[in-house]
Parts: sequence; structure tokens; C-alpha cells
Amino acid sequence: EAGVVQSPRYKIIEKKQPVAFWCNPISGHNTLYWYLQNLGQGPELLIRYENEEAVDDSQLPKDRFSAERLKGVDSTLKIQPAELGDSAVYLCASSYGTGNSPLHFGNGTRLTVT
Amino acid sequence: EDQVTQSPEALRLQEGESSSLNCSYTVSGLRGLFWYRQDPGKGPEFLFTLYSAGEEKEKERLKATLTKKESFLHITAPKPEDSATYLCAVRSGNTPLVFGKGTRLSVIA
Repeated sequence: EAGVVQSPRYKIIEKKQPVAFWCNPISGHNTLYWYLQNLGQGPELLIRYENEEAVDDSQLPKDRFSAERLKGVDSTLKIQPAELGDSAVYLCASSYGTGNSPLHFGNGTRLTVT
Repeated sequence: EDQVTQSPEALRLQEGESSSLNCSYTVSGLRGLFWYRQDPGKGPEFLFTLYSAGEEKEKERLKATLTKKESFLHITAPKPEDSATYLCAVRSGNTPLVFGKGTRLSVIA
């Protein structure tokens, strides 16, 4: 079974520039999550999708962050404009349903904003 | 608000020296407690799910246990390849997983 695929693995941009991250979940997983992980911290949820619908985006800074999941498969997370404090690892995860099915994570995109 | 506290923050063991990691939690109605392993530069890798107090699960040198207030991850005779950060997370109701900050484990040969 192929895992969750994220790209790019690393991204370095200057502040105020836009950036986008892409995620392809495990086939058949209808729930997709975007998490943010700062150094030495646990992952924190940004947004959760059930199929195409964003069902939990309360932690997403909507003034600069946006996400979409077209056709209920791949997803894109965008930041525009990026700020220095956005430097972190952005993790995508997927699961089958939202019960107690475990989340399967990708290897993340490490963003550095200079 | 669900809260998860992991201790210690970092643990250094000699190869073969058994120990335990702690995860204390506060939730209103636990639906599941999850343990993950995270290697540097990688995403968290699922290890166990525990659902109710008294439950135990094992995988190789790892054994996870659960009480009403905390969970322990016991590591028996660890090897250097067990070095990683171990994350604990809880779910209550229909809320998403809430993670602790993790315990960084180093096993020295």
C-alpha cells in the first residue's frame, strides 16, 4: 500500500511570497488532515476534510491560509503571503473514516521563510 | 479542552536498559489514546490505539498500557534503532486528535 505522498519536501521562500503544498492521501481514505508541527512540539491540526468538505478548519488562519480538496482526493494548502512565523513542518495525514481509524502521515514539507 | 502531557521530554538509555514513557491526559470522554513514533525528518508512524482502562498492547519491544488518567509506553531491552520521538495523542467525542509534545528517546550502544 502506497503511503501518503507530500511535495515538495523542502521549500525556502522570502517573507510575503506565496507558497503551496500538495498532498496525495492513501487510496480509499476519505478523511484528510493538514497539521503544522513546530520544532519540539506535537502536530497541531489546521484543517480536516471529509471527502470534499472541510469539517474542521477552526485553527486555520484564514486571512493568509487556504486549502482545497478537489474531487475528494488530492489536497493543496496555500499560504499567501508567508510570514517568518510560518516556518515549520506541514504534515498531511489521511484515515479511513473519522472514528478511531489511525491517521497515516506523510513525511511533511519543511518550510523556511526568510 | 483536551490536554496531553508527556514526560520526560528526553530520555537517554543504554542498550538493554528498560524504561517507561508517560502520557498524562485530560479529556471529557476518551474515545481512544494513540501512540506514534517519529523519526527525524519523517512523519509520525502509528504504533498503537488503546480504548479503555486496563487495556494493553504489545509490538516487539514496546508495550502500551492505559489507565483512566495516563498511559505508559514500556520499552524492554531497547536497541539503538528504537531511538526516536514518541508521541501520544487522544481523541474525545468527534474532536480531532490532540497530540502531546513527545518524548525524545536516545538508546546508546
